[in-house]
Amino acid sequence: GAGVSQSPSNKVTEKGKDVELRCDPISGHTALYWYRQSLGQGLEFLIYFQGNSAPDKSGLPSDRFSAERTGGSVSTLTIQRTQQEDSAVYLCASSRPGPLYGYTFGSGTRLTVV
Amino acid sequence: KNQVEQSPQSLIILEGKNCTLQCNYTVSPFSNLRWYKQDTGRGPVSLTIMTFSENTKSNGRYTATLDADTKQSSLHITASQLSDSASYICVLVNTDKLIFGTGTRLQVFP
Repeated sequence: GAGVSQSPSNKVTEKGKDVELRCDPISGHTALYWYRQSLGQGLEFLIYFQGNSAPDKSGLPSDRFSAERTGGSVSTLTIQRTQQEDSAVYLCASSRPGPLYGYTFGSGTRLTVV
Repeated sequence: KNQVEQSPQSLIILEGKNCTLQCNYTVSPFSNLRWYKQDTGRGPVSLTIMTFSENTKSNGRYTATLDADTKQSSLHITASQLSDSASYICVLVNTDKLIFGTGTRLQVFP
């Protein structure tokens, strides 16, 4: 596609439920990132996929968070047993490998845990 | 303490005026510094990318500067337009990770 596509755009869930957020990166972009933006806060790194390498999971805040990237393309971020502090905008970005390529962000998924 | 601090936190200017946003960082080393514009409800969009050896980079009405000695960067917006109203985020790239500042919220009024 022309850009990074994320779905759903908005998600309201009850505390304790599991949620799945989807990211469809730009075709040919081997790098994929998940970030979280809480209200009034900066963007927080969650996880990074690069090609077939093992993902960098160092930003995941707890073991309730996990992510997969199937076939080097679509990625799913799963949050189990959601808590209210998980409420945030979850942004996905993709890029070609290399330090000076631009990162293209999706419009994000706004997650609200009630 | 944030590794990337931006000031001011928010800024209001009149259409047509210039403004300068500041970014102070402690991240070292880094491969490049970027400025992003984030409209409400949208993902960030890249404005400029500078390596640590570059001093300035322009993109239309946006000019970014970098002083590696003082570890400061600035984004200058010339002849502001209403559509410039957005958050502007300073980002340092350390290996494969983006380290974000908390941003400056700019509002341009007619």
